[in-house]
Amino acid sequence: GAVVSQHPSWVICKSGTSVKIECRSLDFQATTMFWYRQFPKQSLMLMATSNEGSKATYEQGVEKDKFLINHASLTLSTLTVTSAHPEDSSFYICSARIAVVEEQFFGPGTRLTVL
Amino acid sequence: AQSVAQPEDQVNVAEGNPLTVKCTYSVSGNPYLFWYVQYPNRGLQFLLKYITGDNLVKGSYGFEAEFNKSQTSFHLKKPSALVSDSALYFCAVRESGGSYIPTFGRGTSLIVHP
Repeated sequence: GAVVSQHPSWVICKSGTSVKIECRSLDFQATTMFWYRQFPKQSLMLMATSNEGSKATYEQGVEKDKFLINHASLTLSTLTVTSAHPEDSSFYICSARIAVVEEQFFGPGTRLTVL
Repeated sequence: AQSVAQPEDQVNVAEGNPLTVKCTYSVSGNPYLFWYVQYPNRGLQFLLKYITGDNLVKGSYGFEAEFNKSQTSFHLKKPSALVSDSALYFCAVRESGGSYIPTFGRGTSLIVHP
């Protein structure tokens, strides 16, 4: 089946620094990738949808200047958390969509802890 | 607008017993329905989907779900639960012909007791 990887799987950073998370579709091309945030024991919160070569579409309430998303190729999307603060600590999950089979494939997630 | 509800935060079942995780949905047109499972500190894994065709859909790990249009439900079932089935389960829906972005339920924690 289709595989989506995320790197890093976990990261600890100091407040005020920026962190980049990579999401790759390993064996398929994804025209659309999604970024989610998940708090403990809670559902997924869609942050943004990104299409290759175009600007990401952010959900209401998500700061686009804080959560920078780049979808430079059909196999890579990145999420950069800029000037991270402790409240940004969360589990971030990306997914990639294959339209023809109507399925989303999820990455393993990245645990971000901001000290 | 599309929405999905998972009315139970947690479901407890004894190993070997049948399990059901409930999901109801609301869409304007025809639904595409999905179930995913999430193990601790992991991403979501696809279990099964309903797009069209038979109302009973069989998926991974022995799970199945039945699409019931009149009750707008898509409950996840398994005849005999395993301790290893303990995880967080998400139902998702999107409207056929509508936005390609699915809406996820809040998740149901399944705990299978030995």
